[in-house]
Parts: sequence; structure tokens; C-alpha cells
Amino acid sequence: KNEVEQSPQNLTAQEGEFITINCSYSVGISALHWLQQHPGGGIVSLFMLSSGKKKHGRLIATINIQEKHSSLHITASHPRDSAVYICAVRRGGSQGNLIFGKGTKLSVKP
Amino acid sequence: GAGVSQSPRYKVAKRGQDVALRCDPISGHVSLFWYQQALGQGPEFLTYFQNEAQLDKSGLPSDRFFAERPEGSVSTLKIQRTQQEDSAVYLCASSLAGGELGTQYFGPGTRLTVL
Repeated sequence: KNEVEQSPQNLTAQEGEFITINCSYSVGISALHWLQQHPGGGIVSLFMLSSGKKKHGRLIATINIQEKHSSLHITASHPRDSAVYICAVRRGGSQGNLIFGKGTKLSVKP
Repeated sequence: GAGVSQSPRYKVAKRGQDVALRCDPISGHVSLFWYQQALGQGPEFLTYFQNEAQLDKSGLPSDRFFAERPEGSVSTLKIQRTQQEDSAVYLCASSLAGGELGTQYFGPGTRLTVL
């Protein structure tokens, strides 16, 4: 069983829709990251969370430490949001390397 | 501003060749990570440096893989006698702080194809 599980694997939405991507993990963590990867490989860090909720523009990330679950929400989705969204956790007590989920491929249609 | 850069961006090697992949982290970043991303998969950890010290190489898949960061800045990942299963995107990331702190900044990756 993977230590980091994401759902759904693939998601197609219409422009303007509210989108939720989920991440569950099975290990103790010190932080959780949401990353965005565009075709061609470039990875951008969106959020680093250890508790609660963070918001940046149309993106919102939440984490529930007790339930070992995090969600990434995109409000008023746009075709430029189309990308792979990856959840990654930093194991508690580790030197900082990340354990990645397999990613959620989001396609937003105009 | 200067981010993490990697070179080459694309590398095609014949099976059995040695390859060297370079990572230039953000200036002043203490921590440097190498990850391997197979097609359709999430990245997987290979090795970690704090300054010039390689503190964790547990993710290196075989002794054909070797990484170094001799002066605590630029790092090189070397793969000897490449095999087809080595085909992947190799990602480098750096962070300002060591240990558990710090957002990781990723380079664009090197796509290695072994024929």
C-alpha cells in the first residue's frame, strides 16, 4: 500500500467549477506539500502545511492531522489550472525528503 | 530570479553508457535532493545532501547510481552502465534550510531515455 494516496487519479471539469483533490497518508508527518506539475516536468510548490488551512488566490489547502487527510480546492477553475497536482509528505523526524503521491491529472475545459 | 537549474534537459543514452546529470541549486540553499520520476508516476526520493555531506542515499536503486556535491553547491548524479529501466525524469530540488524546515524548489528535470 502506498504511504500517500490521492484521489481522484484523473479529473475533468468545466471552466468555473469548484474542484477538490484529496490526499490521505499513513505515516506520521512533519509537513504536507501540494505541488503543481505542468507538462514538460516543471514542479511548483503551491503550499506547505502542518496544520489548519492556507489560501492563495483561488487555491485553498486544508489538512486534518488526526484523520491524516488533506484537500486541495480550486475555486472558479480555469483552463490554465490544467496540470498534475501532487501531494507529498515529509515524514516526521526525517531530514526532509518527500514521499509523493502519484498525482491527480486535472483538465479544465473551456 | 535564478531558480534551480538542471542540465542537460534531455539525454538519450545507449544501454551501457555512463551519464552525468547536473543540478545547480538556488544560491545559498543548504539542502539538495534528487528524485526519480518514472512515466505516469510521482517522484521518488533518491538521495539528500546537506551542504557537501550526503546524509541519505537510501533511495539510490543500485550501486550504478552515484551522487556528489563536493563544494556544497552544484551536484552531479552519475549513472554508470545505464539500463532501460533507468529511463525517467530526474528532478533536483533545493531548500534554504536543512532538516525538517523549508519549502523545496524544484528544477525542470532531466529526461533520460536509455535505448
